[in-house]
Amino acid sequence: DAKTTQPTSMDCAEGRAANLPCNHSTISGNEYVYWYRQIHSQGPQYIIHGLKNNETNEMASLIITEDRKSSTLILPHATLRDTAVYYCIVRPNTDKLIFGTGTRLQVFP
Amino acid sequence: GAVVSQHPSWVICKSGTSVKIECRSLDFQATTMFWYRQFPKQSLMLMATSNEGSKATYEQGVEKDKFLINHASLTLSTLTVTSAHPEDSSFYICSAPRDRANYGYTFGSGTRLTVV
Repeated sequence: DAKTTQPTSMDCAEGRAANLPCNHSTISGNEYVYWYRQIHSQGPQYIIHGLKNNETNEMASLIITEDRKSSTLILPHATLRDTAVYYCIVRPNTDKLIFGTGTRLQVFP
Repeated sequence: GAVVSQHPSWVICKSGTSVKIECRSLDFQATTMFWYRQFPKQSLMLMATSNEGSKATYEQGVEKDKFLINHASLTLSTLTVTSAHPEDSSFYICSAPRDRANYGYTFGSGTRLTVV
């Protein structure tokens, strides 16, 4: 399975952009990059996913490098409600979602 | 759309008793559901894959006789923690693939199990 590496924690000021990096150097050609987040004591929430093109939705933007070995999740205007653990997951060639340790994002006033 | 409802949200039980957790897909059919366990300040650990109409597939190290999974219909999967002990206290979360088109997964809100 491809593995991901994320920083353990990050801080971001409210209203600023939060840029969360993820390394996935062993990703296979048919594997997607998924981002989920988990607010304390809740189930994970889907944010965005992509294969090789950059993606944007109402929650965030996903920037994937051309070699696909890394990606960045961008929350354009972070709010206090965005404080959560963010998981970058490379989906194996099965239906399973395997979670790593994620990045704990703390948005401060 | 694509809501997964999980019940109960929390439960306290005595050691030695069994607890059933339900996971329902409300507006879509889920032939597959996944069960995770999460200890405090740790990541989610996949326990098993629940398959409608067939036996569940358990991850290595997960006791299938202790964590009974039933997926009797296209909208319901249950996890029963049998003969619960304090070390089984954890946050249990279910998940289901939303659709084949976007390969997204929807998660339940989780069940906080405390065994006393």
